Amino acid sequence: QSVLTQPPSASGTPGQRVTISCSGSRSNIGSKAVNWYQQLPGTAPKLLIYSTNQRPSGVPDRFSGSKSGTSASLAISGLQSEDEADYYCAAWDDSLYGHVFGTGTKVTVL
Amino acid sequence: QVQLQQSGPGLVKPSQTLSLTCGISGDSVSSNSAAWNWIRQSPSRGLEWLGRTYYRSKWYNDYAVSVKSRITINPDTSKNQFSLQLNSVTPEDTAVYYCARAPHDAFDIWGQGTMVTVSS
Repeated sequence: QSVLTQPPSASGTPGQRVTISCSGSRSNIGSKAVNWYQQLPGTAPKLLIYSTNQRPSGVPDRFSGSKSGTSASLAISGLQSEDEADYYCAAWDDSLYGHVFGTGTKVTVL
Repeated sequence: QVQLQQSGPGLVKPSQTLSLTCGISGDSVSSNSAAWNWIRQSPSRGLEWLGRTYYRSKWYNDYAVSVKSRITINPDTSKNQFSLQLNSVTPEDTAVYYCARAPHDAFDIWGQGTMVTVSS
């Protein structure tokens, strides 16, 4: 059902850098801003990155976003145990005329 | 500080109507710079945007193609809230439902979520 594709899992040890990819198409990532959400178990998603590479107030600068063509990436540098969560990308889709989400990536801190 | 408070039943019978309300504090449903959204999440469908309502000199609604024939989202300016109605529900509509604010196409404030089960 999800229009944007993410790897199901990613992992790293504390202090490492982890990157999550998000693949879309010209009608969404290719022409629109990308947003990233972090979801801890049993809670609502939390906005982590907006407008592709902007952090809301309070989000550590360990989190960064970028995009190239029809793909986007979320990087977590200096991985910490509290970063263990599910991460979702999202964007507006001009063809569907609606918001679309990624399939989600579970990040595990080893 | 903006907060969204959801209310509504957690159990709906098949073929009936799912109804949820999202109360807004710290902002206005009539804001000219935000859209008010409903999103759901289930293991089988992941995160799925359902639709939105927003005011830009007049009221607008946009709905996801997957539910367009069954959904209505209404603002209530007197109570500063907005609602979701999803008709003719089936077990496939079982999910956690969230309301969320989107000032610039990013969902920055979310409700607490409501687990809705469709079962007889």
